[in-house]
Amino acid sequence: DAGVIQSPRHEVTEMGQEVTLRCKPISGHDYLFWYRQTMMRGLELLIYFNNNVPIDDSGMPEDRFSAKMPNASFSTLKIQPSEPRDSAVYFCASSSTGPYITSGASGWETQYFGPGTRLLVL
Amino acid sequence: TQLLEQSPQFLSIQEGENLTVYCNSSSVFSSLQWYRQEPGEGPVLLVTVVTGGEVKKLKRLTFQFGDARKDSSLHITAAQPGDTGLYLCAGPSRGTYKYIFGTGTRLKVLA
Repeated sequence: DAGVIQSPRHEVTEMGQEVTLRCKPISGHDYLFWYRQTMMRGLELLIYFNNNVPIDDSGMPEDRFSAKMPNASFSTLKIQPSEPRDSAVYFCASSSTGPYITSGASGWETQYFGPGTRLLVL
Repeated sequence: TQLLEQSPQFLSIQEGENLTVYCNSSSVFSSLQWYRQEPGEGPVLLVTVVTGGEVKKLKRLTFQFGDARKDSSLHITAAQPGDTGLYLCAGPSRGTYKYIFGTGTRLKVLA
């Protein structure tokens, strides 16, 4: 299995430009997540999809950010216009199962992370 | 707001030494996960603990979930350079299933 694939691995752009990050989840995984990691804020969930439908986008910082999942094997995260404070590592992750709830425990089964896209906005 | 504070923030030790890293919160978590992230890669799940007081072992790594489910620890015995990385704890926020990640412990094991 190739794992979660992200492209590009590195992106350097100038403030105001549009940036598109791409993700291919593991085949057969119905859940896809976009995270952002910075030194100041750590790892934060931006949005997640189930069966290509956005379920929770409350972590998307502002309207400049948008995410789509046109089919089960592809998702994009777009920033338009980009700003220097968007500089971060963006991770895509996928999971084969959704959240679980048992007596006394809840959470997710394993989320598989991609290698990330390191974005620098100048 | 639920937070997961990890300590220490940085740790540099010699090969063969033992170490413990901590993950603490003032809130109860129904479960906690530990991840290791190597430079240039995404986090990789190591373990999930779900029961207060639970202890899980993964080779030289021992994970413990606090009785009150507000804290967890990771103990590494005889650390090796391959253990170098960023260790993150994470848990589902109350009322939603979104994972809250801890502040992280950056470990470096010197040969």
